[in-house]
Amino acid sequence: QQQVKQSPQSLIVQKGGISIINCAYENTAFDYFPWYQQFPGKGPALLIAIRPDVSEKKEGRFTISFNKSAKQFSLHIMDSQPGDSATYFCAASIKGQAGTALIFGKGTTLSVSS
Amino acid sequence: KAGVTQTPRYLIKTRGQQVTLSCSPISGHRSVSWYQQTPGQGLQFLFEYFSETQRNKGNFPGRFSGRQFSNSRSEMNVSTLELGDSALYLCASSLASLAGAGGELFFGEGSRLTVL
Repeated sequence: QQQVKQSPQSLIVQKGGISIINCAYENTAFDYFPWYQQFPGKGPALLIAIRPDVSEKKEGRFTISFNKSAKQFSLHIMDSQPGDSATYFCAASIKGQAGTALIFGKGTTLSVSS
Repeated sequence: KAGVTQTPRYLIKTRGQQVTLSCSPISGHRSVSWYQQTPGQGLQFLFEYFSETQRNKGNFPGRFSGRQFSNSRSEMNVSTLELGDSALYLCASSLASLAGAGGELFFGEGSRLTVL
């Protein structure tokens, strides 16, 4: 119930294309869903986050779509660029619950070819 | 503002040894979390400390331990090292005690441990 399942494991997209990464969860108590981006040799960094009271959040070329009934959320990268090549992690946690932690998916390695 | 600093960045140990990793959080951040990152398992939560108290612990054996000092700096220790402990150990700091409160986790670049 504490898992976050992420797919695909790896993704190759042409420059200018749309990258889509999907995540699913079981625990309906999760109420905070961030995406982290990690470049080689660096720690993950927050990219964008959403709460379940909205179905979509957009920041520049990055959009989170959230489907509460299906317990799924996804990251869409529009007009993908070579600089977007990185590993992306979805995550989930429960606001305000003592002892909570940010639970991460296993990551998706994105390669954007020029 | 300086980021999260982890030392050492790289280290090699042999089975049975122990290791101590250090993390200095962003100034003003009182929460420090530790994660283990491996290619097969991704990011797995080890534990979180806030104001010198362990607030949460992941599903790791007792060989993995940590502590936090009054200046918020944190250390984690792994005793009796096993080959499977080879990983990148990431420290993250945040303002809030609970990441789920909407607080962003700020990660360091990690300490890469190789166990031979």
